Amino acid sequence: AQSVTQLGSHVSVSEGALVLLRCNYSSSVPPYLFWYVQYPNQGLQLLLKYTSAATLVKGINGFEAEFKKSETSFHLTKPSAHMSDAAEYFCAVTPSNQAGTALIFGKGTTLSVSS
Amino acid sequence: DAGVTQSPTHLIKTRGQQVTLRCSPKSGHDTVSWYQQALGQGPQFIFQYYEEEERQRGNFPDRFSGHQFPNYSSELNVNALLLGDSALYLCASTFGQGDQPQHFGDGTRLSIL
Repeated sequence: AQSVTQLGSHVSVSEGALVLLRCNYSSSVPPYLFWYVQYPNQGLQLLLKYTSAATLVKGINGFEAEFKKSETSFHLTKPSAHMSDAAEYFCAVTPSNQAGTALIFGKGTTLSVSS
Repeated sequence: DAGVTQSPTHLIKTRGQQVTLRCSPKSGHDTVSWYQQALGQGPQFIFQYYEEEERQRGNFPDRFSGHQFPNYSSELNVNALLLGDSALYLCASTFGQGDQPQHFGDGTRLSIL
């Protein structure tokens, strides 16, 4: 069975500071991993995905994530936070041998950015 | 290129009633999934439809049912509504069973009184 744990339900950073949102996964088969962002009263927007190619994945809006199999982690980073990055972030996993099927989400991390 | 569209945006119902939510997938997509997102939680998978059949189902009771039409659009039906069914219901679409990610609509906010 697959599961996702997002460490830290709330992360606060200053504008211009490094953003680090943590995600650990559990999967019995090689996983596909995703980060989604959700702004208030909106659906989920895909930031980036890992599908067994390069372990360092670059996404939209300057975000990137690194797949570390030995640590079962897929942490999301951004070198310099902008006020517009304030939102809810979700890490999700799906088994690669059933890609396109159910996404298993973490509980989410709220990112606050102060000026 | 229209993305995933859902209707209605908001809905208020009372306990015991029935509700139907609708979803049109992104152009070119043939697979539709439904998720329930309770306040402050991550989305939880309800079920997925492909070729007009339910392909996969999450841990939701039979009160939750769905349908996919030949044009790939989909409906989510919930019977005998409970207060705990209050949530944001998200529809996501993708193409086939490859490594293409799921694209989400903005959801339907369902409130049960």
